[in-house]
Amino acid sequence: GENVEQHPSTLSVQEGDSAVIKCTYSDSASNYFPWYKQELGKRPQLIIDIRSNVGEKKDQRIAVTLNKTAKHFSLHITETQPEDSAVYFCAAVHGSGNTGKLIFGQGTTLQVKP
Amino acid sequence: DVKVTQSSRYLVKRTGEKVFLECVQDMDHENMFWYRQDPGLGLRLIYFSYDVKMKEKGDIPEGYSVSREKKERFSLILESASTNQTSMYLCASSLGWQPQHFGDGTRLSIL
Repeated sequence: GENVEQHPSTLSVQEGDSAVIKCTYSDSASNYFPWYKQELGKRPQLIIDIRSNVGEKKDQRIAVTLNKTAKHFSLHITETQPEDSAVYFCAAVHGSGNTGKLIFGQGTTLQVKP
Repeated sequence: DVKVTQSSRYLVKRTGEKVFLECVQDMDHENMFWYRQDPGLGLRLIYFSYDVKMKEKGDIPEGYSVSREKKERFSLILESASTNQTSMYLCASSLGWQPQHFGDGTRLSIL
């Protein structure tokens, strides 16, 4: 079945540095890729998403790139701040129809050191 | 703003009990989902529903069942709770291909 692999599992950076999290997916029919951020003790919240007709999308310090041929997509955070510390999940939509079923990666714990 | 409400933040039950986790959304979303979250394993889909009275198994349905009698409510049922079902349970809802919105989660402990 559909599988999403996410790396690294943990990432530690200095404040102001960039952070990159990578995901690969197996279903070539996947066409929607959201990223969620989960702060400690809180719900996952969508931070950015990309659809397969777009190669890159930016929102302030956050960007996502998609390579459909290689079936991988990445989250880029520039100028990291301590409040970026959280667990980040990538996901890929699975199947046809309108169910919006997502397959999630295993998560990356990002620590930004002041 | 979408609101997904889970009935309990923390729940402690005993082995063998029947456990009900409730989830309500207020945005008329067709799709609703139940996940469990365990360290290092990410979010794993237990069941989802794309319409009232409709349900489909996710990746780890064993030991669970669900009920969706009304569009806004999706219940997860542990038929006979076991210690390996101790976990964080997250409910989510979505409209078609739109992003999923999550509840705050229920941390369930089975003793």
